[in-house]
Amino acid sequence: GAVVSQHPSRVICKSGTSVKIECRSLDFQATTMFWYRQFPKQSLMLMATSNEGSKATYEQGVEKDKFLINHASLTLSTLTVTSAHPEDSSFYICSARGSGVPPSGNTIYFGEGSWLTVV
Amino acid sequence: QKEVEQDPGPLSVPEGAIVSLNCTYSNSAFQYFMWYRQYSRKGPELLMYTYSSGNKEDGRFTAQVDKSSKYISLFIRDSQPSDSATYLCAMRSSGGSNYKLTFGKGTLLTVNP
Repeated sequence: GAVVSQHPSRVICKSGTSVKIECRSLDFQATTMFWYRQFPKQSLMLMATSNEGSKATYEQGVEKDKFLINHASLTLSTLTVTSAHPEDSSFYICSARGSGVPPSGNTIYFGEGSWLTVV
Repeated sequence: QKEVEQDPGPLSVPEGAIVSLNCTYSNSAFQYFMWYRQYSRKGPELLMYTYSSGNKEDGRFTAQVDKSSKYISLFIRDSQPSDSATYLCAMRSSGGSNYKLTFGKGTLLTVNP
């Protein structure tokens, strides 16, 4: 199956600093990438949808100035948590939808997730 | 009413049992249905992908979609301890550039040796 890589898998940062998480589609071109946040024992909460070369579309209640998303190429999207605070500590997961024919064309594949701890 | 309802469990079964997981939904526009498996502290892994109604089998896994009842199921035969995970149903509508998935809350499954 298609592979989506996320980096770093775990990161600890100090309150007030910014941290960047990368999401890469390794064996397909990702027309669209999605960023989710997941709290313990909760389902995935969609934060934003990004299409290559255009601005991300944020879900209601998600601060776009705090969670900066860049989808600069068909294989890379980044999420930057700016001025992080302890309440931003969470599991962040990206997913990618491929272009072209199935399976990658219609199917959405997830990265392994990134654990962010803000101290 | 939430768009997708899924019993969070937890569900505990002995090794070798047949496991039945299901979700109901309210949005009749949903056309694509997926089941993901998520191990603790990991990203979701796609298990099954189904378009519209019908059955799909892959090894020990069978996915069923009944659009008339707005009900989807995942069956796991000969369950193994390695199947212990949270199972998430997900679905989306077709058309346009909207590939946003709507997830159930996930069912936590434990298969006991």
